[in-house]
Parts: sequence; C-alpha cells; structure tokens
Amino acid sequence: QVQLVESGGGLVKPGGSLRLSCAASGFSFSEYYMSWIRQAPGKGLEWVSYISGSGTTIDYAASVKGRFTISKDNAKNSVSLQMSSLRAEDTALYFCVRDVRRGSSGDFFDIWGQGTMVAVSS
Amino acid sequence: DIQVTQSPSSLSASVGDRVTITCRATQSIGNYLNWYQQKPGNAPNLLIYAASTLQSGVPSRFSGSGYGTDFTLTISSLQPDDSATYYCQQSYRTPRTFGQGTKVEIK
Repeated sequence: QVQLVESGGGLVKPGGSLRLSCAASGFSFSEYYMSWIRQAPGKGLEWVSYISGSGTTIDYAASVKGRFTISKDNAKNSVSLQMSSLRAEDTALYFCVRDVRRGSSGDFFDIWGQGTMVAVSS
Repeated sequence: DIQVTQSPSSLSASVGDRVTITCRATQSIGNYLNWYQQKPGNAPNLLIYAASTLQSGVPSRFSGSGYGTDFTLTISSLQPDDSATYYCQQSYRTPRTFGQGTKVEIK
C-alpha cells in the first residue's frame, strides 16, 4: 500500500525552528521526486519545496528560500523539511507529496499524506 | 511565476447537472495542467493530469480539456459525493502554482 505519513508538527514561537518528517512506504522511494506543499487554515495550496529522487536537485518557493531545507534519506525511505526563522505566515498544514515527473506525459502530485500542522505564534 | 486563475470561485448545482470549472494560465503551459479534488479535512486527490488524462480510479464523469492557457474540468453528471473544492495546478515551471480553488456545493 502506497503511503506517506508526516510527523513533527506543533506550536512554535516566531523565530523558532521545527523539523518535519515524512515516512514513505509501498513504492520505490529512490525513484521519485518528493515535495512539500502547505495549506494555511481556510486557504488554498502552496508548493513549498521539492527534492529529486537522488537528492541532488532541490528547489524552494521564494517565500521559504533561505529558511527551509529539504533532505531525503533513500535508505530510510524518508524526506524531511527543516524549518527555521519561522513566521506567523508559515502557519499551515504541511503535506508530504509524491511528485511524479513524466515530462510531456505529465508532471503531477499523485500521493499525499494527511498532513502535519505547524502553528507559529507567541 | 506562472499564475493560474480559476472561475468561478464557487458554484451550486443539482445532482445530475453538468458542471464546468475553468482555469486560465498567465502564459502558455502546453498540457502541463492538473486538477485535484479536496474534501474538508482530507488531503487533495489527483483527478486529472496532463490536462486530460484521468487518474486511475477516478470516476469517468470527470474529464479535462484544454491546451496552452485555457483549461476546463467538467463533471458530466454531478453526484452528491462531488461536493468538494477543486484546484487546478500548473506543472510547466517551478514554482508549481495552484489556482485559488472552486467550491462546488450540491443544491
């Protein structure tokens, strides 16, 4: 069964740090890009970061670049998001997502975890 | 960044109605357009990728069309289970961007 399970969310003060983790199962993890996508309460979806299957290609949304770091451990089938200098506007449900890259046949997000909530507040 | 704009932002329709949601990109994105359905309290679910390819397991009443800048998601016969928010998303260029969502309610 293909599954993604996030953990690590919680309440943190502005300027603080938090590390999110995502455990993958049921597919060949090293072959897939992985992304983090967030959703602020009552709002839409915002892509945050991606990492390639091997971990060598990484990119971030402008809103988090320089503050967030994505990493991937193919031996443990896990992907992480280290978040620092957190702001109130980072408050959101963070989804771990399988990021399929097929080029002209489609690039899309096909498997989503249930999300882990991050709240940034004093 | 490529922006994608959905319309309408919400709609109310009856069971059995044909429902259409549109998505417009700020530049040509070929067929790099996906559609997701999100029900309250749940993660989004992929419905359509590459503008018109139905994801495995998705009912055939859902279909997608379009190329370039203008795209459409159609529900041919609305069912009670289709009450949800629908998002389009472009995958032509990073950052991947989503539309603002269309909330579909059943009358």
